[in-house]
Amino acid sequence: DIQMTQSPSTLSASVGDRVTITCRANQSINTWLAWYQQKPGTAPKLLIYTASNLESGVPSRFSGSGSGTEFTLTISSLQPDDFATYYCQQYNNYWTFGQGTKVEI
Amino acid sequence: EVHLVESGGGLVKPGGSLRLSCAASGFIFSDYSMSWLRQAPGKGLEWVSSISSSNSHIFYADSVKGRFTISRDNAKNLLFLHMNSLRAEDTSVFYCARGRAKTRSVAGVFGSWGQGTLVTVSS
Repeated sequence: DIQMTQSPSTLSASVGDRVTITCRANQSINTWLAWYQQKPGTAPKLLIYTASNLESGVPSRFSGSGSGTEFTLTISSLQPDDFATYYCQQYNNYWTFGQGTKVEI
Repeated sequence: EVHLVESGGGLVKPGGSLRLSCAASGFIFSDYSMSWLRQAPGKGLEWVSSISSSNSHIFYADSVKGRFTISRDNAKNLLFLHMNSLRAEDTSVFYCARGRAKTRSVAGVFGSWGQGTLVTVSS
């Protein structure tokens, strides 16, 4: 099984900060990685797919990078609407999520 | 606009059964793979099962294999999840999701999600 590990689990930040979340796989997944944002009581929303492709309608302050086993999600300038939990998900072999990173004030 | 609406959740006793439905609209349902995912209270996301557009590919997570059955009715734009032998650890919000892109197999990325339906397994 492919295991996904995100760090940190919780991140405290302020509006305007540059934020980086890391996701590591226990084996290579090439660039078969997606990122989702979830706010309390709502369904997850796709942000990025194939490691670095921005989903339509997602603000350009979000970006993704990485390949193989290490990936990052970066928010260039944190906005009030960005306080949420973020999940990475691999789809190289079945589908597995990281445990989530909560971005809080 | 893609619209997915889950229904069928509720309270069920351990060992019981439940059938979830997902009504799809806003896109050509028969062109896309569909999936069920779940989220236990206060926990992260877990993939449960996926089905290709033409039923040719079906996958299950080990945690539900042999107990859950995914199916779809392309004529009625409906996705189903039949759940048997339910356990307390199955208590979750269940989401249906559409693959982001059209594919003959199952899309790897979940592009659109429903609002979820809560399944509670308790005596």
